[in-house]
Amino acid sequence: DQQVKQNSPSLSVQEGRISILNCDYTNSMFDYFLWYKKYPAEGPTFLISISSIKDKNEDGRFTVFLNKSAKHLSLHIVPSQPGDSAVYFCAATAQGGSEKLVFGKGTKLTVNP
Amino acid sequence: NAGVTQTPKFRILKIGQSMTLQCTQDMNHNYMYWYRQDPGMGLKLIYYSVGAGITDKGEVPNGYNVSRSTTEDFPLRLELAAPSQTSVYFCASSYYQGLTEAFFGQGTRLTVV
Repeated sequence: DQQVKQNSPSLSVQEGRISILNCDYTNSMFDYFLWYKKYPAEGPTFLISISSIKDKNEDGRFTVFLNKSAKHLSLHIVPSQPGDSAVYFCAATAQGGSEKLVFGKGTKLTVNP
Repeated sequence: NAGVTQTPKFRILKIGQSMTLQCTQDMNHNYMYWYRQDPGMGLKLIYYSVGAGITDKGEVPNGYNVSRSTTEDFPLRLELAAPSQTSVYFCASSYYQGLTEAFFGQGTRLTVV
């Protein structure tokens, strides 16, 4: 039973355009969500997070939106750069982060010059 | 500042052999984790530790053992390697349980033949 779903295995966008990566979750106890970025042959690195008390969190070119009623979150990257090409993992936890993380399968983003 | 260091980076094992994947962190984090990532899949938690001397099973612990004698080190032991353990293994550490701003090692690519 997949509690965190990233239904698009891959996404390709042009440099300068917006990248939108989607994530759905099924567990209503999740209240903290994170995005990690992973380059080939490297470990994942933390990108941005959002608490369920917010519906938006922004950090430079990266914005995460949370729709609790739809159990859906999305990561927007504007403008997209070739260096953003990586696998992006959505992750969720409960009880304000005191529970272990559950990861989605990841979406491979390719930003074309 | 080295962060999380994993060794080795690559290893080929024969069925039935055993090995230890090493992980050390220099950030004085209490929480440490071992994940595996199979192709096209998200990160699955194998074992975790909330501090020296304390370990617990994650989602996929069978075939593995861990120990945590110091804050810095969290080795993962594979006994009687099986082809199903072919995967990329990531060690991570964090200050908080929810892996907020967690740091991952570069990974160990293990092949069991």
